[in-house]
Amino acid sequence: SQTIHQWPATLVQPVGSPLSLECTVEGTSNPNLYWYRQAAGRGLQLLFYSVGIGQISSEVPQNLSASRPQDRQFILSSKKLLLSDSGFYLCAWSVPPSRGFGPGTRLTVL
Amino acid sequence: GEDVEQSLFLSVREGDSSVINCTYTDSSSTYLYWYKQEPGAGLQLLTYIFSNMDMKQDQRLTVLLNKKDKHLSLRIADTQTGDSAIYFCAERLSDSGNTPLVFGKGTRLSVIA
Repeated sequence: SQTIHQWPATLVQPVGSPLSLECTVEGTSNPNLYWYRQAAGRGLQLLFYSVGIGQISSEVPQNLSASRPQDRQFILSSKKLLLSDSGFYLCAWSVPPSRGFGPGTRLTVL
Repeated sequence: GEDVEQSLFLSVREGDSSVINCTYTDSSSTYLYWYKQEPGAGLQLLTYIFSNMDMKQDQRLTVLLNKKDKHLSLRIADTQTGDSAIYFCAERLSDSGNTPLVFGKGTRLSVIA
């Protein structure tokens, strides 16, 4: 069965510092991968999705970037964090018709 | 356009039924989903329904879809304190497998013992 890992679980970073969140999927090949953000009191916003290695689509202009160096690895990055980057970040996978979400990373930028 | 709306809060007594409602705007939605998020945790898929179905039942959960009114509901029978969580409605707009989901803002369900 498919398993998705995300780390770290919690992160507190100062404004202006870099960010790297990692997500890996096990038990499947060539998944579609997604990064979502859930800001406090708001719904889920799609940030990036990827249909294959090196293929990234960005849904909203922002301070973040994503990379997919391997088939089952998806990385969310920033060179300089902003206060508005605080939120709960969820990685997700899909291999139709199945889908799943990771446990999430709570990021607080101070 | 893509828009999914949900009420933000719902409070019920333990043992009663909960009904969480969702409306969406895009008539081309193919699949509609309900996810549960417990405090500090990720999203758990509860159930989904194809757009050509009216109803789907799974143990204590009943999903009703009114495609004409673009209205989706989730009914939880015999609500328990463990059902306290945020419930997200989501739609997928096409049959393409890699289409991202569009989520509502979530309904926070509180169950009073």
